[in-house]
Amino acid sequence: DAGITQSPRHKVTETGTPVTLRCHQTENHRYMYWYRQDPGHGLRLIHYSYGVKDTDKGEVSDGYSVSRSKTEDFLLTLESATSSQTSVYFCAISADSGLRNYGYTFGSGTRLTVV
Amino acid sequence: QKEVEQNSGPLSVPEGAIASLNCTYSDRGSQSFFWYRQYSGKSPELIMSIYSNGDKEDGRFTAQLNKASQYVSLLIRDSQPSDSATYLCAVNWGGSTLGRLYFGRGTQLTVWP
Repeated sequence: DAGITQSPRHKVTETGTPVTLRCHQTENHRYMYWYRQDPGHGLRLIHYSYGVKDTDKGEVSDGYSVSRSKTEDFLLTLESATSSQTSVYFCAISADSGLRNYGYTFGSGTRLTVV
Repeated sequence: QKEVEQNSGPLSVPEGAIASLNCTYSDRGSQSFFWYRQYSGKSPELIMSIYSNGDKEDGRFTAQLNKASQYVSLLIRDSQPSDSATYLCAVNWGGSTLGRLYFGRGTQLTVWP
């Protein structure tokens, strides 16, 4: 998708290994988000960032950590992957200026399988 | 508790019909409302945004917002098979929510020829 890319697109990893997913944006948006999407649960927020080095937890943050050292990059790390973390992960960016919210633009997603 | 509820579906309509998708939200202070379309295996795509009471039309799509009833809907006129997708309602509560959207679980729409 224009302005936001996720990598890798697909990954298979073994239980217990660390995994890092990358989200890169070229829009200079302040806010970035990581969601997971699972059947029956919809989109669930893992972590979000409101600026460089400013991050906070969402509803399903256990087992995940994030870092944002540059405006354009937001990294999601699964510290020790488990089968319950098999999911599709979406990164999103938001241009909310506080005056009006314009919604999110989503990346193409990463399909992660933990075996 | 911030909740966004959508009619559970799945919804099935014939080609050319009007598809009506509904969404309710829990917080009266909500300020921004969005509809996303998600094709199977793809990421959500923003198709409509609405900020004030009333109707907003964009091509075959009409979003309707009623803040007093805490209700937002999406009408798709002249439905096409290419409209078959899952539609997600999303709400921003404004204030200190840092731009965050809250999503419903989606309604799956099938348009049959």
